[in-house]
Amino acid sequence: SDLTQPASVSGSPGQSITISCTGTSSDVGGYNFVSWYQQHPGKAPKLLIYDVSQRPSGVSDRFTGSKSGNTASLTISGLQAADESDYYCNSYTSYNTWVFGGGTRLTVL
Amino acid sequence: QVQLVESGGGVVQPGTSLRLSCATSGFSFTTYGFHWVRQAPGKGLEWVAVIWFDGSKTFYTDSVKGRFTISRDDSQRKLYLQMNSLRVEDTAVYYCVTDGGLYNNKWFKFAFDVWGQGTMVAVSS
Repeated sequence: SDLTQPASVSGSPGQSITISCTGTSSDVGGYNFVSWYQQHPGKAPKLLIYDVSQRPSGVSDRFTGSKSGNTASLTISGLQAADESDYYCNSYTSYNTWVFGGGTRLTVL
Repeated sequence: QVQLVESGGGVVQPGTSLRLSCATSGFSFTTYGFHWVRQAPGKGLEWVAVIWFDGSKTFYTDSVKGRFTISRDDSQRKLYLQMNSLRVEDTAVYYCVTDGGLYNNKWFKFAFDVWGQGTMVAVSS
């Protein structure tokens, strides 16, 4: 089954928001292979976070990942208009497969 | 510059076959595993299949098992997805993606690093 994300979140410029991603002990809770992606309309997704909390080179430190039990989280601080996008979490699973969350639409007010 | 370019998409009828290709450049092809990830129109991302860096293992999402086959040609630096018995619900943009990568001199795996631009597959009668 898909990981569970809120369908939408919103925040004002400069604020912080957090997107949750809930799975099970067979995926999020069982491995530190949780990743997050940003996707703007009509574009390919972009890797933001891997291994729960690691940022690839070039990704702003305003993006922070964490995990507690079966729930992972992505926090975006200092919201900017350019952050308005769709966000997806992903986890490796015990079945040698990968599962995405349903996606969260971030609106910057 | 790392680049992935998918091709082979199109409009086909249910029950037919299609083979997607992904041409790569700018990195050591045999170091990487690869995934196919798809996105139906207006929907979220769905993982489809993976092939290990040495081709020794492949895994699939349940809905495509027995119908889709992922493969690689190291000499051509290409990834493939053979899709048989296509269904309407297979309609999506299909992305070729690298598994993991190297950042800060440390390799990571099991995340989707470099993405192609995608190729559209539409299954319709």
